[in-house]
Amino acid sequence: AQTVTQSQPEMSVQEAETVTLSCTYDTSESDYYLFWYKQPPSRQMILVIRQEAYKQQNATENRFSVNFQKAAKSFSLKISDSQLGDAAMYFCAHREYTDKLIFGTGTRLQVFP
Amino acid sequence: DVKVTQSSRYLVKRTGEKVFLECVQDMDHENMFWYRQDPGLGLRLIYFSYDVKMKEKGDIPEGYSVSREKKERFSLILESASTNQTSMYLCASVGLAGFNEQFFGPGTRLTVL
Repeated sequence: AQTVTQSQPEMSVQEAETVTLSCTYDTSESDYYLFWYKQPPSRQMILVIRQEAYKQQNATENRFSVNFQKAAKSFSLKISDSQLGDAAMYFCAHREYTDKLIFGTGTRLQVFP
Repeated sequence: DVKVTQSSRYLVKRTGEKVFLECVQDMDHENMFWYRQDPGLGLRLIYFSYDVKMKEKGDIPEGYSVSREKKERFSLILESASTNQTSMYLCASVGLAGFNEQFFGPGTRLTVL
């Protein structure tokens, strides 16, 4: 069975600092997508960043970047220059060929001024 | 912008009641999903639908059913609500084109007393 593991239930960071959230996954597929979703306290889940497995280059979206290690099945999210608005639950997700997403259990990120 | 709406943000029902959770998306997406979110468990897929009148079971379908009579609307039904169905319910949709991103609704916090 495909699984996604987020081993850090909670993380904290100071404003303007950098934080890395970890995610590992298990799959037998060679081509797939990986996602990081953010869920602020208002609960609307939004996409932060996506990575196609066939692309070797790590995805980047402004202050958010990933470290995708396909052989190790690792997909970590780095948030640079953290802001108070980055405080949220972050979910790592793996997409099967059927469009179904398998989610990790989430990491709650706190940002301190 | 894609918009996914859910009929209620908060809902309180009694054990044994029949409960309907409605989800509507406005982007003509083919695929729609219902998840439940519980602390420490992440998001778990209840049911999904690839097209009108088509449905498939997810990982935790027991105690739930769904209906998709129109492309834009996907309903989750709790035939006889139980206290262990107290949870946050999230609806999502994704189109066949584009970047395979699932768009989420704001969620419904259901409490079964």
